[in-house]
Amino acid sequence: NAGVMQNPRHLVRRRGQEARLRCSPMKGHSHVYWYRQLPEEGLKFMVYLQKENIIDESGMPKERFSAEFPKEGPSILRIQQVVRGDSAAYFCASSPPPAGYTFGSGTRLTVV
Amino acid sequence: SQQGEEDPQALSIQEGENATMNCSYKTSINNLQWYRQNSGRGLVHLILIRSNEREKHSGRLRVTLDTSKKSSSLLITASRAADTASYFCATDAGANNLFFGTGTRLTVIP
Repeated sequence: NAGVMQNPRHLVRRRGQEARLRCSPMKGHSHVYWYRQLPEEGLKFMVYLQKENIIDESGMPKERFSAEFPKEGPSILRIQQVVRGDSAAYFCASSPPPAGYTFGSGTRLTVV
Repeated sequence: SQQGEEDPQALSIQEGENATMNCSYKTSINNLQWYRQNSGRGLVHLILIRSNEREKHSGRLRVTLDTSKKSSSLLITASRAADTASYFCATDAGANNLFFGTGTRLTVIP
């Protein structure tokens, strides 16, 4: 299956710990997008990356959140010192648009 | 905000009936996309309609777009229990991202 792979599927962290979410785009895709979905809400854009470059991080919280997409390996969304409000589903998508992004199944982060 | 807004928020119908969901948005767009999300799963892209298109079909799905009213509708004909899911519209204005609405939760009763 050459779809967008995200891991882990579920992640539980205590307040103050770090969360690392991984996304491997579809083969041949070099554009990765991260979205966050809070309970009962739609997806909200966080960041758009190409290999080794952050193209648009206008949706990223200013503190504690960072993202990278290295030359080799998956894209990583890192959340430092997690708080309960970070509990959400985090989806990764790879492109190219505009034919429609291909989404991964998401990582569900629970902060306890 | 450019965010799409779906209407209704929730819809419950009998199997075999048609389901219609609407989406409104606020700014000019390049295209509008509809996605489905089964409970606890990722998004699945259903259909994309460009700003110069008025109607598009894909299987049992029919999407319309009225750019003058900044609205779109998704019609699912002859619904099945397996169509039970949340449906999101997303607008692409040519920036680097999509703006999603909060979704319509469709329940199809067998």
